[in-house]
Amino acid sequence: KQEVTQIPAALSVPEGENLVLNCSFTDSAIYNLQWFRQDPGKGLTSLLLIQSSQREQTSGRLNASLDKSSGRSTLYIAASQPGDSATYLCAVRGNYGGSQGNLIFGKGTKLSVKP
Amino acid sequence: EAQVTQNPRYLITVTGKKLTVTCSQNMNHEYMSWYRQDPGLGLRQIYYSMNVEVTDKGDVPEGYKVSRKEKRNFPLILESPSPNQTSLYFCASSLTLTLSYEQYFGPGTRLTVT
Repeated sequence: KQEVTQIPAALSVPEGENLVLNCSFTDSAIYNLQWFRQDPGKGLTSLLLIQSSQREQTSGRLNASLDKSSGRSTLYIAASQPGDSATYLCAVRGNYGGSQGNLIFGKGTKLSVKP
Repeated sequence: EAQVTQNPRYLITVTGKKLTVTCSQNMNHEYMSWYRQDPGLGLRQIYYSMNVEVTDKGDVPEGYKVSRKEKRNFPLILESPSPNQTSLYFCASSLTLTLSYEQYFGPGTRLTVT
């Protein structure tokens, strides 16, 4: 059964720091991995999608990498800002049992960027 | 604007009173699904639909029903809600049966069952 783990569960950094969020998964048979941002009481905003054949994706100050063989992904945030404060969720998509296309989520990393 | 919409956004109801949470997308997506989010458990899939009239169970389908009569709509039905269905619900969609496309999420429906 696929399991997704995110470390750390919470992170507090001063504004301007570069930071790395970690995601690991137990089954490397994935179609893709997606990073989301969730603000309190709000929905999920897709940040980056990495296909299983790709190594990394970049969008602005965000860079996500994928090492499928080792079951790891990282989300790098450059020059963090208070507006980056949110919970970041990692999710992998595969064909698990009868639940085709199911996204399996980690429990998230709650990021707080202090001004 | 491309989006997934859900209604209502907030709902408080009593045990046993049937309710429906609507989900609609305007992106002509074939794949739609429902998730629930609970503290300490994260997001878990309830049901999904690969296309019109094609639905199947996710990881936690007990107590829920869905239907997919039109491509754009995928309502979630709770025939007899119970307090353990108090949760934050998200509808999601993605383009096609090909699983490589990203999923888009609605804003969420916060349901409280007393």
